[in-house]
Amino acid sequence: KAGVTQTPRYLIKTRGQQVTLSCSPISGHRSVSWYQQTPGQGLQFLFEYFSETQRNKGNFPGRFSGRQFSNSRSEMNVSTLELGDSALYLCASSFRGWKTEAFFGQGTRLTVV
Amino acid sequence: GESVGLHLPTLSVQEGDNSIINCAYSNSASDYFIWYKQESGKGPQFIIDIRSNMDKRQGQRVTVLLNKTVKHLSLQIAATQPGDSAVYFCAENEPGGGADGLTFGKGTHLIIQP
Repeated sequence: KAGVTQTPRYLIKTRGQQVTLSCSPISGHRSVSWYQQTPGQGLQFLFEYFSETQRNKGNFPGRFSGRQFSNSRSEMNVSTLELGDSALYLCASSFRGWKTEAFFGQGTRLTVV
Repeated sequence: GESVGLHLPTLSVQEGDNSIINCAYSNSASDYFIWYKQESGKGPQFIIDIRSNMDKRQGQRVTVLLNKTVKHLSLQIAATQPGDSAVYFCAENEPGGGADGLTFGKGTHLIIQP
């Protein structure tokens, strides 16, 4: 069974640009969550999608958005990139969502210059 | 804000010994807790979870203990192996509030000495 796949693995963008990250969950999983990981702040929850609906949202500005498609694949978009957005962005999928076992992808390393 | 944390940033143990990683949480309403392991260059890997109606749960070589009285969570790893070297995160689910999601601690780096 394939794991959670995130693309691309690495990305370099310039301040002010926008970026879209992709996450393909484990087959059959309907919940996809996104996290930002930085050395200073650790792992922080961005949002969770379940059956194409955003179910939970963390305390991030509106520049961070996401969506989920009917096949459960999810995308995360960050607009007007700032230097502080440089981080490892992780996606996790689970069958039912919160309070159940979640499986993480390897992440997308975003560097904003 | 940070509600899970206060831990030893680095824990060094001898191979074969047992290790205990501790975590404190501040929200008494939290009802679900997870331990994750993250190896260098990889995403976090689920180890074990526990719900607030339990105080102990065992897996393969791992045990999680939950003390709701003092809001403390611990992960015990028996007979540590070199492959256990990683950063370990505890996470809590805080129901309600502005972000009904998982809050992670900063992590403890477990180093296994040969």
